[in-house]
Amino acid sequence: AQTVTQSQPEMSVQEAETVTLSCTYDTSESDYYLFWYKQPPSRQMILVIRQEAYKQQNATENRFSVNFQKAAKSFSLKISDSQLGDAAMYFCAPYFGNEKLTFGTGTRLTIIP
Amino acid sequence: NAGVTQTPKFQVLKTGQSMTLQCAQDMNHEYMSWYRQDPGMGLRLIHYSVGAGITDQGEVPNGYNVSRSTTEDFPLRLLSAAPSQTSVYFCASSSHRASYGYTFGSGTRLTVV
Repeated sequence: AQTVTQSQPEMSVQEAETVTLSCTYDTSESDYYLFWYKQPPSRQMILVIRQEAYKQQNATENRFSVNFQKAAKSFSLKISDSQLGDAAMYFCAPYFGNEKLTFGTGTRLTIIP
Repeated sequence: NAGVTQTPKFQVLKTGQSMTLQCAQDMNHEYMSWYRQDPGMGLRLIHYSVGAGITDQGEVPNGYNVSRSTTEDFPLRLLSAAPSQTSVYFCASSSHRASYGYTFGSGTRLTVV
């Protein structure tokens, strides 16, 4: 079975500091895609960043970057210069090619002013 | 550019009632799917479709029905509502192989009393 583990139910970070959210997964697939989604209190699911498993280079989107380690099946999200608007639930959600995203249980991120 | 539109945003049902959650997308996406979100469990796939006329079951299909007569629309029917179906429901769509991730609707909060 393909599983996704987010071991940090809650995290907090001081405004302007850096925080890393962890995600590990288990799959026998070699070609897949990895995503981080943000869910603010508005409930909307917002795509933050994507990574293609066949690419070794880590994806970056402005203040968001990933540390992708394929052999270790690890896909962490780093948020730099944290802002109040980053407060949300963050979900790791790989796509292993079985017509669905497999979601972790989420990490609730709090930004301390 | 509307993206994925879900209606209604909120709904209260009595046990045993039936209803349809509507979902429409205007991005010409082949893949559409329904997820439910429960506290502490991430999002779980209910049903999905890879094109008009083609649907299949996800992880938690019992008590739900779907059909896909057009590319744009993918309604979810609750046949006889039960309190266990109290949840937040998300419709999502993607292009082939979901390589750019899924686009989500804004969700429907359903309460069954």
